[in-house]
Amino acid sequence: AQTVTQSQPEMSVQEAETVTLSCTYDTSESDYYLFWYKQPPSRQMILVIRQEAYKQQNATENRFSVNFQKAAKSFSLKISDSQLGDAAMYFCAYRSSNFGNEKLTFGTGTRLTIIP
Amino acid sequence: DAGITQSPRHKVTETGTPVTLRCHQTENHRYMYWYRQDPGHGLRLIHYSYGVKDTDKGEVSDGYSVSRSKTEDFLLTLESATSSQTSVYFCAIRDTGGEGPDNQPQHFGDGTRLSIL
Repeated sequence: AQTVTQSQPEMSVQEAETVTLSCTYDTSESDYYLFWYKQPPSRQMILVIRQEAYKQQNATENRFSVNFQKAAKSFSLKISDSQLGDAAMYFCAYRSSNFGNEKLTFGTGTRLTIIP
Repeated sequence: DAGITQSPRHKVTETGTPVTLRCHQTENHRYMYWYRQDPGHGLRLIHYSYGVKDTDKGEVSDGYSVSRSKTEDFLLTLESATSSQTSVYFCAIRDTGGEGPDNQPQHFGDGTRLSIL
């Protein structure tokens, strides 16, 4: 079974600085998808970024980028120019690419605080 | 915003009573999911559906049943609620990738906070 580990329960960063959130996963599969979701105090789960394992290029979405290290099974999220609105819980998630395997496995989350 | 509506948004009920949560989508997506979120566990999959009347169990399905009689609606039922089912419940939907990779992400509703006393 796949597992996702987020080893940083809490992180803080100064506004306008850069922060990196860590995520590692365990799988025996060669093809899969990885996601970062953001959950602000409003409780919504918002997709931040996604990465296909077969793509070597790291995904980017504006101020958000990932460092995908397939061999190390690592999928970290970098937030540049941190803003107050970035304060939230961040969840890393894994999904197999096997047809019929619909389970999205989540880590336990990292709470990010932005210091003004 | 993905067109997902969960109802009710909050519910308080007593142990032993039946509870039904509803998820309604306007996106005509094939896949629908129910998750629960508890402190220290992240989100865990309860059940999911891959089409009308087609459902399958997730990792924490005991004590829950689901039904999908229409593409747009996915119901989660607690036949006899227990205090351990106090949680925040999220519905999610996902489109297929068409002829390309099946890499579409799940999009989530706003959640239902369920308290069982």
